[in-house]
Amino acid sequence: DAGVIQSPRHEVTEMGQEVTLRCKPISGHNSLFWYRQTMMRGLELLIYFNNNVPIDDSGMPEDRFSAKMPNASFSTLKIQPSEPRDSAVYFCASSPNPRLAGKTQYFGPGTRLLVL
Amino acid sequence: AQSVTQPDIHITVSEGASLELRCNYSYGATPYLFWYVQSPGQGLQLLLKYFSGDTLVQGIKGFEAEFKRSQSSFNLRKPSVHWSDAAEFFCAVGNNAGNMLTFGGGTRLMVKP
Repeated sequence: DAGVIQSPRHEVTEMGQEVTLRCKPISGHNSLFWYRQTMMRGLELLIYFNNNVPIDDSGMPEDRFSAKMPNASFSTLKIQPSEPRDSAVYFCASSPNPRLAGKTQYFGPGTRLLVL
Repeated sequence: AQSVTQPDIHITVSEGASLELRCNYSYGATPYLFWYVQSPGQGLQLLLKYFSGDTLVQGIKGFEAEFKRSQSSFNLRKPSVHWSDAAEFFCAVGNNAGNMLTFGGGTRLMVKP
């Protein structure tokens, strides 16, 4: 089985540009999570979806960040406009229905974002 | 609110030596506990998890962890470290609903030849 797929793996952009990160969860998983990892703040949960519906977005830093999950196999995290302080590694993770198969989250390889 | 503390930011051990990485958690109910490993430039890979039952949990790559409720700890151990174990290790606690993981700050392991 393919794991969580993220694209692009690396992104370099200039301040003010729009950035879109993409994620394909593991087939059959119904929860999807977006995390950000920085040296200063470690791993932070930004938002999570259950059955394609955003459940908790309290970790989203500000209005410049938005996330969507139009169907069970695709999600995007968008930053508009981007700023240098958004430079980080962004991880997507998915999890099966916790009532059926446990509560383990499976992580993608991450997107390394650098905003100049 | 749940929280995880990994007291050691960096640990260096010699190859072949034993390893113990510390993890302390705070959670009001029975916790779901995880250890993940992250190699440089890679995503997080699940090493092992504890949901219930036997408090000594076996994972991949020869790792094990022991849940001690009285100490609110879930320390990770390996009897003999290999150079390929060098990585960053994260402990995490999950809530009962299964939808929130809180991670510790991580412990970076270096292995001396």
